[in-house]
Amino acid sequence: SQKIEQNSEALNIQEGKTATLTCNYTNYSPAYLQWYRQDPGRGPVFLLLIRENEKEKRKERLKVTFDTTLKQSLFHITASQPADSATYLCALAHGSSNTGKLIFGQGTTLQVKP
Amino acid sequence: GAGVSQSPSNKVTEKGKDVELRCDPISGHTALYWYRQSLGQGLEFLIYFQGNSAPDKSGLPSDRFSAERTGGSVSTLTIQRTQQEDSAVYLCASSLAGSGGPPGELFFGEGSRLTVL
Repeated sequence: SQKIEQNSEALNIQEGKTATLTCNYTNYSPAYLQWYRQDPGRGPVFLLLIRENEKEKRKERLKVTFDTTLKQSLFHITASQPADSATYLCALAHGSSNTGKLIFGQGTTLQVKP
Repeated sequence: GAGVSQSPSNKVTEKGKDVELRCDPISGHTALYWYRQSLGQGLEFLIYFQGNSAPDKSGLPSDRFSAERTGGSVSTLTIQRTQQEDSAVYLCASSLAGSGGPPGELFFGEGSRLTVL
């Protein structure tokens, strides 16, 4: 069956360290993958999109990698800050044409302690 | 408006009643999505509209759920004969891209929190 798996356990790290979140998928062949941030009681907010032919994408302190062989994306936040504390969701398009419908993982909650 | 607008923000209803949730997408966005999020859970896909194409209803959990999008803009999600397990936050999102190409960035509303007593 098709699955998108993110670590359901919260990730607790110290301020200033690098946070690394994982997104694994099975039985999908996505042409790209997206990452979103969600704060409590709010809708998700888009962060980054990475395509299958891109190994790595960066935006400020954020870095995303995409390994289509391992069927995995890693999301890194360097020099983490308490304000980075939130739930982070990965999402990919479902279907052979990779159009339209985005399916989300369960999300991983990150807690950055000062 | 500047963003995706959803109403009501909170709805409390009794089991067996029908409810309607409304979504106003960003003007010009051709794609519109409905997701459901139960407490502490991820986003569950419900339905997807893209332009004038037939909607993808593959995520609707039962025939009590339906949605329409009028004039390619406003969408209404209707839940008939609500059950307690329907209690969740219902999120709407819109996007510019999607027709024949990859979905672009999704812009989400703040959600409608439904509580069924």
